[in-house]
Amino acid sequence: DTAVSQTPKYLVTQMGNDKSIKCEQNLGHDTMYWYKQDSKKFLKIMFSYNNKELIINETVPNRFSPKSPDKAHLNLHINSLELGDSAVYFCASSQNGGGNYGYTFGSGTRLTVV
Amino acid sequence: DAKTTQPPSMDCAEGRAANLPCNHSTISGNEYVYWYRQIHSQGPQYIIHGLKNNETNEMASLIITEDRKSSTLILPHATLRDTAVYYCIVRVPSNTGKLIFGQGTTLQVKP
Repeated sequence: DTAVSQTPKYLVTQMGNDKSIKCEQNLGHDTMYWYKQDSKKFLKIMFSYNNKELIINETVPNRFSPKSPDKAHLNLHINSLELGDSAVYFCASSQNGGGNYGYTFGSGTRLTVV
Repeated sequence: DAKTTQPPSMDCAEGRAANLPCNHSTISGNEYVYWYRQIHSQGPQYIIHGLKNNETNEMASLIITEDRKSSTLILPHATLRDTAVYYCIVRVPSNTGKLIFGQGTTLQVKP
């Protein structure tokens, strides 16, 4: 009955590889997000989708490509992985901009690029 | 969204109330005050939010000053499991807006 689930939880890969992280929410929310938390623990928004439409696209290298096949899913594909991509990536969802109940976050995917 | 200022760290004794302050002197009339926390290695968790009035839920209480320039999150009986980074965020809820996290306050609850 997990509200926002991400897979995989851990991902170790070599530089130059392409990888994907998947996210699913069963809350019926209309908006989904990807956040990145680096080694200094700063949480930064990367993308958001509202009803499958890209709403927020922060200054993120175009090696990162989000895809939302439906309202309940938001995946993140990363091409040509670099050492600096190592971080924890959090998926989140909200309804009505998170007004009444805030954002619900997943438990994170720890990506390590070696 | 208005900027917030929080102390970088605080300690609290287990069983006592933890009072976490937040300054948001540039808050505008339609901006809400939200509190989230992040327990080590977990995703951030929504705690509570308010506009003008004080709010209480099963997790915490939120006290907002009359001029709305500051607020205090109160955990009435802190436990070791409340050790986390607490974020105060001021924003207008919007599907096109962003939830922007600052540095937050690291609360250490001690036995």
